[in-house]
Amino acid sequence: NAGVMQNPRHLVRRRGQEARLRCSPMKGHSHVYWYRQLPEEGLKFMVYLQKENIIDESGMPKERFSAEFPKEGPSILRIQQVVRGDSAAYFCASSPPGFRGQGENNYGYTFGSGTRLTVV
Amino acid sequence: SQQGEEDPQALSIQEGENATMNCSYKTSINNLQWYRQNSGRGLVHLILIRSNEREKHSGRLRVTLDTSKKSSSLLITASRAADTASYFCATDGEYGNKLVFGAGTILRVKS
Repeated sequence: NAGVMQNPRHLVRRRGQEARLRCSPMKGHSHVYWYRQLPEEGLKFMVYLQKENIIDESGMPKERFSAEFPKEGPSILRIQQVVRGDSAAYFCASSPPGFRGQGENNYGYTFGSGTRLTVV
Repeated sequence: SQQGEEDPQALSIQEGENATMNCSYKTSINNLQWYRQNSGRGLVHLILIRSNEREKHSGRLRVTLDTSKKSSSLLITASRAADTASYFCATDGEYGNKLVFGAGTILRVKS
């Protein structure tokens, strides 16, 4: 079980370019979550997706950011026309179907190692 | 202030001492989790405590939860230099579908 795989690990983009971050959930997990961590801060929830559905995008900026989790393939977090303030670590997590924090899974979410985006 | 706030913000101790970090939150929860993050790395899940539990142990970790005060504490006993990291609490909120993290406590264990 390879765990949650994120790529790339590091991404450098110039202002105005597009950034695409990928997340492959753990085998058997159908829920994906994206979080952003600014320097010296905790993680902030961005979006929660299931296959082909956005369930909760309350943490997504209104413009330039989008996320998808297609039927086949990884989840993608897309940032258009990046600005320096988008520089951060972006973490993906996955959980199994029906996970609501009350099951026998004592390990909660499973996080990936993150993608560190630097906008120059 | 934001749900899942930790204190202290930073803690520096000598190897072998105990480290205690606290977390407060605002809304009702199903569970509360603690994570560790080494500098520049991903998150490592440490322990999950459910809302109907008051205390939980895992190795050198002891977590308490007081739902009446909406607070939790993480105790690391007999600390080691390798425990140097940032520690975050995270709550799942009402619907359990997303985690709300605090700003974290930076722990430095000096050898």
